[in-house]
Amino acid sequence: AQTVTQSQPEMSVQEAETVTLSCTYDTSESDYYLFWYKQPPSRQMILVIRQEAYKQQNATENRFSVNFQKAAKSFSLKISDSQLGDAAMYFCAYISGAGSYQLTFGKGTKLSVIP
Amino acid sequence: DADVTQTPRNRITKTGKRIMLECSQTKGHDRMYWYRQDPGLGLRLIYYSFDVKDINKGEISDGYSVSRQAQAKFSLSLESAIPNQTALYFCATSVASAPNTGELFFGEGSRLTVL
Repeated sequence: AQTVTQSQPEMSVQEAETVTLSCTYDTSESDYYLFWYKQPPSRQMILVIRQEAYKQQNATENRFSVNFQKAAKSFSLKISDSQLGDAAMYFCAYISGAGSYQLTFGKGTKLSVIP
Repeated sequence: DADVTQTPRNRITKTGKRIMLECSQTKGHDRMYWYRQDPGLGLRLIYYSFDVKDINKGEISDGYSVSRQAQAKFSLSLESAIPNQTALYFCATSVASAPNTGELFFGEGSRLTVL
């Protein structure tokens, strides 16, 4: 079974600085997708960024980018120019590309942004 | 209006009571899911449905049941609530596509407290 591990339960960053959240996963598959979801205090889960395993290029979305290391099974999220609105829980998630139904989530990292 | 709406947003009940959490969506997606979130555990899948006639158990279905009343409606029931079912519950939807990109669209969550 696939597992997703987020080793940092909590992190903090100064406003305008850069922070990297770590995620590792375990799978024997070669075709899969990885995600970072954000959960602000409002509770609703929001997709931040998605990475297809077959793509070597790291995904980017504005201030958010990933460092995808397929061989190392690592998928970290970098937030540049951190803003107060970035404060949230961040969840890493995995899904098999082989028609799977189930998204496997990590346990989350709580990010605080210090003004 | 939210694309995925959950009711109630918050509920306090007593042990042994029957509780129903409701979810409706306007996204036109075929797939619907119920997840449970506990602090430090991330999100875990309770049940999922790929269409009105298709209901499947997820990782932690014991003590729960579901009903897919229509394509847009998916409800979760706790027949006899117990305190360890105190959690934040999320409904989510996704598109049935090939390949399965796995992106989920979440409701705002229903916080359930069982006393």
